[in-house]
Amino acid sequence: AQTVTQSQPEMSVQEAETVTLSCTYDTSESDYYLFWYKQPPSRQMILVIRQEAYKQQNATENRFSVNFQKAAKSFSLKISDSQLGDAAMYFCAYRSAWQYGNKLVFGAGTILRVKS
Amino acid sequence: GAVVSQHPSWVICKSGTSVKIECRSLDFQATTMFWYRQFPKQSLMLMATSNEGSKATYEQGVEKDKFLINHASLTLSTLTVTSAHPEDSSFYICSSSMGGGNTEAFFGQGTRLTVV
Repeated sequence: AQTVTQSQPEMSVQEAETVTLSCTYDTSESDYYLFWYKQPPSRQMILVIRQEAYKQQNATENRFSVNFQKAAKSFSLKISDSQLGDAAMYFCAYRSAWQYGNKLVFGAGTILRVKS
Repeated sequence: GAVVSQHPSWVICKSGTSVKIECRSLDFQATTMFWYRQFPKQSLMLMATSNEGSKATYEQGVEKDKFLINHASLTLSTLTVTSAHPEDSSFYICSSSMGGGNTEAFFGQGTRLTVV
């Protein structure tokens, strides 16, 4: 079974600074997808960024980028120019590519606090 | 983008009563829906996978007679918490996606259940 590990329960960042959230995963599959989801205080889950395992290029979405290291099974999220609205709980998630509608496997989450 | 609508957003019920939570996919056909439970500052715990027209698949440790899932159409899945007790108080979230592993999973707004 696949597992996702987020080793940072909480992180803090100063507004306008950069922060990196860590995520490692374990799988025996070669084809899969990785995601970062944000859950703000409203508790609505929001997709931040996704990465296909077969792509070597790291995904980027505006201020959000990932460092995907497939051999090391590492998938960190970098938030640049942090804003107050980035304060939320962030979840790293894994999904197998082999099954239609397959479930997401979530990490424990990291609470990100943004200081003004 | 696709929307998953979950109702109610919060509910308070008396111990021993049953509560039904609805999850609707508004603009796509959801063959599969996932039901999660989340405790404060914790990750999403998958409870069951709901497949249209067939019995739900429950995760280990989840009582299927306690948490009844019905997925009678491609746009509606329901979770009924039967004979609710205070320990069932939690945040429940549904999720679905339109296609394969790389497609975005859409989440409902969540339901905060309080059993008194």
